[in-house]
Amino acid sequence: AQTVTQSQPEMSVQEAETVTLSCTYDTSESDYYLFWYKQPPSRQMILVIRQEAYKQQNATENRFSVNFQKAAKSFSLKISDSQLGDAAMYFCAYRQRGNQFYFGTGTSLTVIP
Amino acid sequence: EAGVAQSPRYKIIEKRQSVAFWCNPISGHATLYWYQQILGQGPKLLIQFQNNGVVDDSQLPKDRFSAERLKGVDSTLKIQPAKLEDSAVYLCASSLAPGQKGNEQFFGPGTRLTVL
Repeated sequence: AQTVTQSQPEMSVQEAETVTLSCTYDTSESDYYLFWYKQPPSRQMILVIRQEAYKQQNATENRFSVNFQKAAKSFSLKISDSQLGDAAMYFCAYRQRGNQFYFGTGTSLTVIP
Repeated sequence: EAGVAQSPRYKIIEKRQSVAFWCNPISGHATLYWYQQILGQGPKLLIQFQNNGVVDDSQLPKDRFSAERLKGVDSTLKIQPAKLEDSAVYLCASSLAPGQKGNEQFFGPGTRLTVL
């Protein structure tokens, strides 16, 4: 069974600094997708960034980037120039071919002014 | 483009009562998911539909939970009878059909259920 592990229940970062959230996953498949979702206190889950496993290049979306290490089954999220609005729960998710998604337990990010 | 709609947003009931949640996915999304999210935890998949068929309901407590998506669009999730441990946020999400590359899930705002 696929599992997604987020080993950091809580993280904090100073405003304007950089923070990295960790995620590892377990799979025997070679074709899959990885996502980072953000869930602010309002609880609407929104997509931050996605990575396709067959692409070696790390995905980037403005201040958000990933470090995708396929062999190590690692998928970390880097947030640069952190802003107060980045404070939220962040969930790492894995999608296999059948459209089934598996979520990690989340990392609560606090941004310190 | 309209997002995933859910209602009600909040519901408070007493244990042993029944409750139903409604979800309207994004137009054209064949796959619909219901998740249970207990405070401080990640979403746990309850059931996944592909059009009006069930793909995965392995974690759905079938003695008390039921869900349907009769016409392959809207879906309802029902709990009967509710227990205290059912207090959670129930999230609905939708996505395009499998095989369409890069498709992510789009989530609704959720329904916060409190069972007293």
